[in-house]
Amino acid sequence: NAGVTQTPKFQVLKTGQSMTLQCAQDMNHEYMSWYRQDPGMGLRLIHYSVGAGITDQGEVPNGYNVSRSTTEDFPLRLLSAAPSQTSVYFCASSRNSLDGYTFGSGTRLTVV
Amino acid sequence: KQEVTQIPAALSVPEGENLVLNCSFTDSAIYNLQWFRQDPGKGLTSLLLIQSSQREQTSGRLNASLDKSSGRSTLYIAASQPGDSATYLCAGSQGGSEKLVFGKGTKLTVNP
Repeated sequence: NAGVTQTPKFQVLKTGQSMTLQCAQDMNHEYMSWYRQDPGMGLRLIHYSVGAGITDQGEVPNGYNVSRSTTEDFPLRLLSAAPSQTSVYFCASSRNSLDGYTFGSGTRLTVV
Repeated sequence: KQEVTQIPAALSVPEGENLVLNCSFTDSAIYNLQWFRQDPGKGLTSLLLIQSSQREQTSGRLNASLDKSSGRSTLYIAASQPGDSATYLCAGSQGGSEKLVFGKGTKLTVNP
């Protein structure tokens, strides 16, 4: 049981490049979310999903896209990377509204 | 809008001391309250989850309580150890728990 797996662990992008951060969970969780963690700002919700085919915006969605074609996967796409998107990104999942969240180990992204 | 505050931002204690970490939130309509631990450069590890109908949870030397009427949660750590040194985050869920709102954390240092 791997839990929540995020890839890559580290990434450096140039401004304007696009990329996809991968997140997969093997716990059959319906709820999945993406957060970013910045010094002094704490963790902030980017996008979330309550099931396959259903996504919604969180607090800081601009510059990011998501899709949820399967229960297991919830990729986060950066459309045109900007230095302001330099951050640590965490994916999380939860079975339902009664359970707590399990977090992945994070992706450290630097945009130069 | 739900806001979560953790005070103090940093705490240093000698080994063996019992301590309390505080978390306050502005909206009493909080659903679940979850405490996490984060080691430097690592992901979030769930410590305790207090579900909507509960007031308290215990795991080993840790005890978390939730008082919705006063907008507070506390994490009690008994007989602290150097291995407890980490940043502790609390997060409340809104709207049926698909969204977590995080405090900025308390950085705990336990000195041998």
